[in-house]
Amino acid sequence: QSALTQPASVSGSPGQSITISCTGTSSDVGSYNLVSWYQQHPGKAPKLMIYEVSKWPSGVSNRFSGSKSGNTASLTISGLQAEDEADYYCCSSAGISTYVFGTGTKVTVL
Amino acid sequence: EVQLVESGGGLVQPGRSLRLSCAASGFTFDDYAMHWVRQAPEKGLEWVSGITWNSDRIVYADSVKGRFTISRDNAKHSLYLQMNSLRAEDTALYYCAKDINWDLVGSFDYWGQGTLVTVSS
Repeated sequence: QSALTQPASVSGSPGQSITISCTGTSSDVGSYNLVSWYQQHPGKAPKLMIYEVSKWPSGVSNRFSGSKSGNTASLTISGLQAEDEADYYCCSSAGISTYVFGTGTKVTVL
Repeated sequence: EVQLVESGGGLVQPGRSLRLSCAASGFTFDDYAMHWVRQAPEKGLEWVSGITWNSDRIVYADSVKGRFTISRDNAKHSLYLQMNSLRAEDTALYYCAKDINWDLVGSFDYWGQGTLVTVSS
């Protein structure tokens, strides 16, 4: 199972909105509404930000939103803040209860 | 407060075995599926294995199938990963992660801090 494709880096100024794409295939992203997004700061464990494409876990800011179209899922961060600077990973079901992560995107707040 | 504490990592020679443990607290352990996810140094996340709440369904990534075995002991609130025939490419920080559901949904809402496995001669 190949990793989902994410841009290596995305940047934006404070207050702006940015979108991170996550491109898979009809065997993973395109077939299941089981896409989740994780934020990882350096040296820390990942944190769940979005699950089942667009749902928020308790305690996560609604500045983070998720969507999906075809084989591509997206994470949008609105009102970009300094603390949003981190690595972000998508994850999708790939069938038969197996899962595949994205390649990861480094978000830089300018 | 949910806590997941991994242990058992270390330096091991290629071809040898290692058993990782994850001690869970702060939630009803036997209500949730659990997973192992790993991250090689300076690399991305890789899902390794998952197990349902009652162990009736167990799944593995192709990269570890036949070499790794996941298990759980609900009475001890613990998750395990038996790793055999270790290879250099298994070198990674291994995270224990809780699923949001009793079944394998693949959304990981709590993570441990990880235990480092280094495979080298």
